Amino acid sequence: QKEVEQNSGPLSVPEGAIASLNCTYSDRGSQSFFWYRQYSGKSPELIMSIYSNGDKEDGRFTAQLNKASQYVSLLIRDSQPSDSATYLCAVNMEGNFNKFYFGSGTKLNVKP
Amino acid sequence: DAGVIQSPRHEVTEMGQEVTLRCKPISGHDYLFWYRQTMMRGLELLIYFNNNVPIDDSGMPEDRFSAKMPNASFSTLKIQPSEPRDSAVYFCASSQDRGLSGTSTDTQYFGPGTRLTVL
Repeated sequence: QKEVEQNSGPLSVPEGAIASLNCTYSDRGSQSFFWYRQYSGKSPELIMSIYSNGDKEDGRFTAQLNKASQYVSLLIRDSQPSDSATYLCAVNMEGNFNKFYFGSGTKLNVKP
Repeated sequence: DAGVIQSPRHEVTEMGQEVTLRCKPISGHDYLFWYRQTMMRGLELLIYFNNNVPIDDSGMPEDRFSAKMPNASFSTLKIQPSEPRDSAVYFCASSQDRGLSGTSTDTQYFGPGTRLTVL
């Protein structure tokens, strides 16, 4: 079992819809959770970080964390074609805030 | 801030040659990470440093790979000899030490990457 699991997609949504991206992790002691966006041929860039159970909103993005169920999700409201990218979930390993495991990423396509 | 700087951006070499990738972290960051990304294996952590000291090199695939950080503003990843299966995008990332306040200072910021092709 991989440390971080994501559906590889592609996830296709129409412009203006809500895109929902999910991630599960295996290390119950993980405390730091991140969503990175990666455009084709570019480097990962941070979108959201979340550390506590519940929701965290930043503009059109909402990260949701449920430590009991060991999943973290990212909602993108009013999806735009420019949101089309691969979204990587990253989770730290227990006891080490600085060592991350990355999921394989979910490719999102937002259709105009 | 200029962000994480990597060079070269592209490298094409022949099997058996030595390859050196370079990275300059964000000023003031205490941690430096080397990752490799391929379609098959995704983003893999190779090694990371804290205050110039290697902390965990368990991701380094084999002895052909070595990394150094001689000072706070420079690191190298060397492959000798290179093989076609080393072809990948190599990213360097840096982060600040997570403070005792518990604030979120452990975010990793990535450089633009080096696309390595070994023929």
